[in-house]
Formats: sequence, structure tokens, C-alpha cells
Amino acid sequence: GNSVTQMEGPVTLSEEAFLTINCTYTATGYPSLFWYVQYPGEGLQLLLKATKADDKGSNKGFEATYRKETTSFHLEKGSVQVSDSAVYFCALASSNTGKLIFGQGTTLQVKP
Amino acid sequence: GAGVSQSPSNKVTEKGKDVELRCDPISGHTALYWYRQSLGQGLEFLIYFQGNSAPDKSGLPSDRFSAERTGGSVSTLTIQRTQQEDSAVYLCASRDTFLGSPLHFGNGTRLTVT
Repeated sequence: GNSVTQMEGPVTLSEEAFLTINCTYTATGYPSLFWYVQYPGEGLQLLLKATKADDKGSNKGFEATYRKETTSFHLEKGSVQVSDSAVYFCALASSNTGKLIFGQGTTLQVKP
Repeated sequence: GAGVSQSPSNKVTEKGKDVELRCDPISGHTALYWYRQSLGQGLEFLIYFQGNSAPDKSGLPSDRFSAERTGGSVSTLTIQRTQQEDSAVYLCASRDTFLGSPLHFGNGTRLTVT
């Protein structure tokens, strides 16, 4: 079945550092891919998405490119801020059924 | 309009009791999902409703768990004979018909089984 694997956290960075959170997937068909974020004390919210191969999703300085050849959707940001500290979830929606599954989440802590 | 509403926000119950968790999705959203988030863990898929199709129940952890969605709107997740390992935050989310649409999450129900 479909699955999503994220790099394990926590990830601790200094402010203005470069961020990469790896995400790989296994899926049949042509899934849509998402990154969701959960800030401390808040609910999950969509960060960015890509619905087909080679699409790049971007929002708030974060980017991720849908790479079908490597089945990856890595999240990147060039310069992180303290306010980016949160839990980040990679997710996949099946193109056949719409079922949405999540990775295990990666905690990011950014220190001033 | 209003977002996804879940009730109760907190529920403490004794081991062995049954509980019902409610989810009111965004009006017009055809898809509804239930997930479970345990402390320090990711989101575990439980069940997915899409329109009038048969629900995908593949994530329900045991036959003590069941869910229904009446009239294509409100959903209820029922846990019978609760166990301590059922303690978690239960999240409901909805989206519109397009598969690439984002999920809108409720604030969850925090269930504690004592």
C-alpha cells in the first residue's frame, strides 16, 4: 500500500540556517503530495502542495518539488526563523481513492 | 464560514466505558477523515468517507472502533470498551471533492482513558 517516510527529528538549527526535511513515498498511480505544519498549541494546517510530477509547491519561503524519479518531496527553506519552530508532516493523497496518509512528522526547533 | 468543529474538546473516561466523538465538517465538503495522534507520534489514519461511497475503514485499529457519517455531513467516531492505549488526540478533517484540495482540520478531541 501507499506509505510516506520522513527523516527522523528533532532537527535543531540556528536562525538563518538552511533547512532540508527529507520525505520519500511509495504509491501507485499519481498521488498528490503535501506538507502540513503544526505550530505549538495550534492545529494542523496546509503549508504547500504539488499535484503532479515536477511541480514545485511554495509558501512562506518553504519549497518542495515533486520528484517522481526519486519518489521524493523534500521540504527546503533557505533561511529559517525562530517562528518556523513546529512539527512538519509530509502527506500523500491517493489519486485513486483520495485517501490521505501522513508521515510520522519531523520536529524543527530553531534557536536564536 | 465556520471551520471543522469537533466535540467534546476533552474527554476523560474510565477504562471499559464507551465514548462518542463528534465531527461537524465544513458545509459542502464531500470528504471526511478521522486520524489519531498519540503523544509524540505522527498522524495515524483511521477512516475516510467520500460522498456516498463505502468508507475506507482500513485504519481502524480494532473492532472496538467504528464510525458513521449521517446525511453526508456530521460524523461520529465510537470507541467501545475503551482501553488506556486509546488515549490520544482524535482529529477530524474535511475537504471538497477535488483530490488535490487541502484538508481542513478540527482542533481535535483529547481522549484520556483512566
